[in-house]
Order: sequence, then C-alpha cells, then structure tokens
Amino acid sequence: DAGITQSPRHKVTETGTPVTLRCHQTENHRYMYWYRQDPGHGLRLIHYSYGVKDTDKGEVSDGYSVSRSKTEDFLLTLESATSSQTSVYFCAISESPGGELFFGEGSRLTVL
Amino acid sequence: AQSVTQPDIHITVSEGASLELRCNYSYGATPYLFWYVQSPGQGLQLLLKYFSGDTLVQGIKGFEAEFKRSQSSFNLRKPSVHWSDAAEYFCAVGSPLNAGKSTFGDGTTLTVKP
Repeated sequence: DAGITQSPRHKVTETGTPVTLRCHQTENHRYMYWYRQDPGHGLRLIHYSYGVKDTDKGEVSDGYSVSRSKTEDFLLTLESATSSQTSVYFCAISESPGGELFFGEGSRLTVL
Repeated sequence: AQSVTQPDIHITVSEGASLELRCNYSYGATPYLFWYVQSPGQGLQLLLKYFSGDTLVQGIKGFEAEFKRSQSSFNLRKPSVHWSDAAEYFCAVGSPLNAGKSTFGDGTTLTVKP
C-alpha cells in the first residue's frame, strides 16, 4: 500500500471555525490532490499540487485553500467552515501527471 | 473539458452472474482511463487502467475493461461476481496534460445477492 496518511480521520466542528486537514505521503510523489466525496457526486477535485509551492484550483475550490511547503505534506484549509463543507475528504497522490492515483483513507468532516 | 458519465447509479446481480458496469467519457484526445473500487469506509483502490495499446485491459480481482473509442466507452466487466465484489465503482478519465487532473464519474453501487 502507498504510504498516505490523512489526519484527522474524523472531525466535528462548528460553522465559522477554521479547519485544517493534513495529507502526508512517504512515496516522494510529485503530484498531490484533494478531493471531496458527496453522495451522488462522485469525487470532485478541490485543489491540486504539482510540486512544492506549486498549487492550483480544481472544480470546487471556493472556500478552500491549500499549501505545500514540503514534498510530503499537502494541507487543506477551510478558513471559515460552513455546513455545505460537510463531506468526506480524500487526498490522492500520483507519480506522474494523469497516472494512477493512490488514495488516503479519507477524513470525515462534519460542520454543525 | 473532460467528463465521465456512469449511467447506472445502482446495480444488483446474483452471485456467480456476470457483471458489466458502463462508463462513457468525454475528452478531446486519447484519454487515460481508470476504474477504481471503494469498499465502505475505505479509500479508492485502482482496479485497472488504460493508457494506450491493447484496448482490452485486465485488472485485479478478475476484472477487465474494454476501451471503445468509437463509442467513447470504457465498460468494466467480470464473468462471475463474488459476494466480496459488493462495493462502489468509479470510472475516471485523466490526462498527462494540465497536471494530470482526473475527473470521476458519480459512481455505481454494486449489490450482490446470495
């Protein structure tokens, strides 16, 4: 199994609070992605990174920001959480662009 | 823009029966195509992938998929389903361009009847 760790795995928070989810990899892969999964919507890309300090927006980036200061860590931040951001968040990594994705086990976030 | 359609939200098959899950994609060039499987509470795991070459690709757990360019399809098949195949299946299209962002279909949930 690819070495991908997401933390926290579960979090309950209140509307308006900041939240940071962490993705840590031990594979030294260049590409990292944050997806959210909601019933009936599959996985939707939030943000992605193609190298240290190189990030870009995905299709559902509003309300989210990311940072990648080291190859192994990719952080997803919700500056002010809203109930619409209640979801399961998956981090994925890839060795090459367009290649196979390796997924973490997901982080379940509930915003009350 | 690339997109993926999985027409079947939910499929039920009997154990031992054959399975076909449909996937249609939209992409301007030859795509990279994937099928992933997700068991409850787990992340996604790659079943198989198509980059180029032979249009019939074999994957893990006895699954195969066929790329049909004329139909923009990449259907997943298995000749005999096992109860452990019950899961959610996602088709995805990727590209070596644009940082390789993959687009996923909405998924098909497979239920296996004993």
